Amino acid sequence: DTGVSQDPRHKITKRGQNVTFRCDPISEHNRLYWYRQTLGQGPEFLTYFQNEAQLEKSRLLSDRFSAERPKGSFSTLEIQRTEQGDSAMYLCARDDVGTGELFFGEGSRLTVL
Amino acid sequence: EDQVTQSPEALRLQEGESSSLNCSYTVSGLRGLFWYRQDPGKGPEFLFTLYSAGEEKEKERLKATLTKKESFLHITAPKPEDSATYLCAPRGAGSYQLTFGKGTKLSVIP
Repeated sequence: DTGVSQDPRHKITKRGQNVTFRCDPISEHNRLYWYRQTLGQGPEFLTYFQNEAQLEKSRLLSDRFSAERPKGSFSTLEIQRTEQGDSAMYLCARDDVGTGELFFGEGSRLTVL
Repeated sequence: EDQVTQSPEALRLQEGESSSLNCSYTVSGLRGLFWYRQDPGKGPEFLFTLYSAGEEKEKERLKATLTKKESFLHITAPKPEDSATYLCAPRGAGSYQLTFGKGTKLSVIP
């Protein structure tokens, strides 16, 4: 158990619809990350939060993407007007406060038809 | 910009046949080189972090080593349950993000 829960595990949607993913760390960890992974590739960084502040965003995070972490606990990643190219695994991770090591959840797989 | 190259892309081994996976990286001010194992449809599972050249860490049949430009994951006498994709990711100075390679897909045949 990595202490990161993600929901839903799978989401199938039609192009143009909005989707939201949720990440719950086991406790209120300092930093929370979002990564995206497509088939045959390694995870790509999207954004991270320190408490409730979003401190870094990748250029991959277009205007259609928004992430929040209200109250510094759980986080949500919303994709508006989904496109087929958004089909991927969306991974959430927490880091260990002492070592900085990242522990990932099982991911939310998005399929856009 | 941080860059990572993993080789080979895929590796098939007979059970018990030892080998090594390579991770070449270019990063400004390394603040850790991370190794992960990933099974199909799952999130990456943390294995090791190495911080300085010459450092080595071991876990069961796996040993990770680090130089200034490369890291190696040595697999000794692998078993079929070691079959997975192995990912490496350096962390550079000034950022908390990891830059992942594409991974090496390891298949261990009984």
